[in-house]
Amino acid sequence: NAGVTQTPKFQVLKTGQSMTLQCAQDMNHEYMSWYRQDPGMGLRLIHYSVGAGITDQGEVPNGYNVSRSTTEDFPLRLLSAAPSQTSVYFCASTKSPGLAEIYEQYFGPGTRLTVT
Amino acid sequence: GQQLNQSPQSMFIQEGEDVSMNCTSSSIFNTWLWYKQDPGEGPVLLIALYKAGELTSNGRLTAQFGITRKDSFLNISASIPSDVGIYFCAGLFRGQNFVFGPGTRLSVLP
Repeated sequence: NAGVTQTPKFQVLKTGQSMTLQCAQDMNHEYMSWYRQDPGMGLRLIHYSVGAGITDQGEVPNGYNVSRSTTEDFPLRLLSAAPSQTSVYFCASTKSPGLAEIYEQYFGPGTRLTVT
Repeated sequence: GQQLNQSPQSMFIQEGEDVSMNCTSSSIFNTWLWYKQDPGEGPVLLIALYKAGELTSNGRLTAQFGITRKDSFLNISASIPSDVGIYFCAGLFRGQNFVFGPGTRLSVLP
């Protein structure tokens, strides 16, 4: 049981390049989400998904796209990278939010992205 | 949007001391969570609180859900070097999404 895995661990992009951050979980969790972490700002929600085929925007969605074709995978796409997207990106999954006492959210190890 | 404030922003304590930190919001939350993040890792859930006034312990950690539902507190007793890290509070928003505070950075001096 690997939990939540993310690849790559580190990435450097030039402005305007595109790329996909990969996230996978093997816990059959319905809810998955992407956060970005910037110094002094905690984690901010980018996009989330409550199940395969369903995605929605979080607090800071601009410049990012997501899709959820399977329960296991939730990739995050940067369409045209900008220096403001330099950050640490975390993927997380939860069994089924909305039900009492099932809010344990498992985080991946993060992807450290630098855009020059 | 929703915002959480955490205090203190950072703290330096001696090994063996007790630690207190808090999290406040202008909005009401129905669930509060406390996470710890080690350097280079993702956050790990420490304690979850589901009812106003609830007091929950996990080893040397104790957290409380404030009566007003706008705040929460985390205490660590008899700190040890491995307690070093960033502690985040998070509130459940709209029943399914989480709002995170900016974190309290804890350093433990031997």
